[in-house]
Amino acid sequence: SYVLTQPPSVSVAPGKTARIACGGDNIGRKSLHWYQQKAGQAPVLVIYFDNDRPSGIPERFSGSNSGNTATLTISRVEAGDEADYYCQVWDNNSDHVFGGGTKLTVL
Amino acid sequence: QVQLVQSGAEVKKPGASVKVSCKVSGYILTELSMHWVRQAPGKGLEWMGGFDPEDGETIYAQKFQGRLTMTEDTSTDTAYMELSSLRSEDTAVYYCATPRGGSGYLAPFDYWGQGTLVTVSS
Repeated sequence: SYVLTQPPSVSVAPGKTARIACGGDNIGRKSLHWYQQKAGQAPVLVIYFDNDRPSGIPERFSGSNSGNTATLTISRVEAGDEADYYCQVWDNNSDHVFGGGTKLTVL
Repeated sequence: QVQLVQSGAEVKKPGASVKVSCKVSGYILTELSMHWVRQAPGKGLEWMGGFDPEDGETIYAQKFQGRLTMTEDTSTDTAYMELSSLRSEDTAVYYCATPRGGSGYLAPFDYWGQGTLVTVSS
């Protein structure tokens, strides 16, 4: 089965840049999506098809996907960005797969 | 704008079944591909199954095959997820989620329900 690997946690100071990695075998060949989940809430799509932003998502959120690693980048981090972030792909053998999630802490 | 409204929390005993509903508004259910995702307490997201628009069939994650049934009532635009033979490990928040209408299997889950907590306890 296809596996997506994320670091359990990332910490960043306000105003700095946070980068959250998502690793997988040849993940760069797959269409990757990112979700933000704040405590007690349902997930929200923040990046789709590697680097597209849904309407309403700040330009501070961007993504890249190449080789075996995809990255969600959050520029000028704000306190309100503190949340869990999940990557997700569709795989021919495993169907829809989520990464284990990364907790972003704003210091 | 699609809205997904789920049924309320459930408490079930081990071995029982649970059926969670997901009411669609702002769109027609038959034009969406409904999926179900669960999240155990303090854990990550886990895809359970959903409608594959390419094949026109409902696909279940192997882990849940034989215990999971997804159905739809098109007259009320309501999707259902029924999980049987419940065990304590099934305690989780269950979400319905769907891509935008007309999207293929590669599409992201644009819309999510608010979640339904299912607690399995004797």
